[in-house]
Amino acid sequence: DTGVSQDPRHKITKRGQNVTFRCDPISEHNRLYWYRQTLGQGPEFLTYFQNEAQLEKSRLLSDRFSAERPKGSFSTLEIQRTEQGDSAMYLCASSQTRGNVNEQFFGPGTRLTVL
Amino acid sequence: GDSVTQMEGPVTLSEEAFLTINCTYTATGYPSLFWYVQYPGEGLQLLLKATKADDKGSNKGFEATYRKETTSFHLEKGSVQVSDSAVYFCALSSRRGDSGNTPLVFGKGTRLSVIA
Repeated sequence: DTGVSQDPRHKITKRGQNVTFRCDPISEHNRLYWYRQTLGQGPEFLTYFQNEAQLEKSRLLSDRFSAERPKGSFSTLEIQRTEQGDSAMYLCASSQTRGNVNEQFFGPGTRLTVL
Repeated sequence: GDSVTQMEGPVTLSEEAFLTINCTYTATGYPSLFWYVQYPGEGLQLLLKATKADDKGSNKGFEATYRKETTSFHLEKGSVQVSDSAVYFCALSSRRGDSGNTPLVFGKGTRLSVIA
């Protein structure tokens, strides 16, 4: 399967713990995006990378959140000192900057539950 | 800022009924417009897209036309099937300066249930 993969698919943690998620994009894609989706809502943008450079961070991304893409391939999203409000589906997507259309391909998501 | 508004669901239709899901947008510049679909237990999939005014995107019997004058991108299908039951998201991506395309801005989604 050459799609976007995410690990883990589910994570249950206690409030105050740190969690880290991984995303592996489609191999030739140079852009990688993180989104968060809460129940009954559309995905909301968190941050994105072009190769290893983090180009933009949303105001939704508090200081407890950090993302990296060290070699321009896979990416990690870490949440420190988790809060119950962090419970959501975290989606990763990737795209190739070619032409005028930003077509993103999404992974299956990591569902985080903070108890 | 950019935003997408789509009709709230849930929408319940009988098989072979006509489907319309309304979507309007607010954006600076000339956005690209998308419909994504999320089937139960699966990730988001691109359904169709349109990149400029009057373009019609189509796929799997679904269509949507980019209407700049009404800032709309309504999704239609002439005859829905039970397998079309899913959540549908309208989204946009705008070009901005020298940073190229922006991340997607999504609507809240519309849940469609089709009954036999």
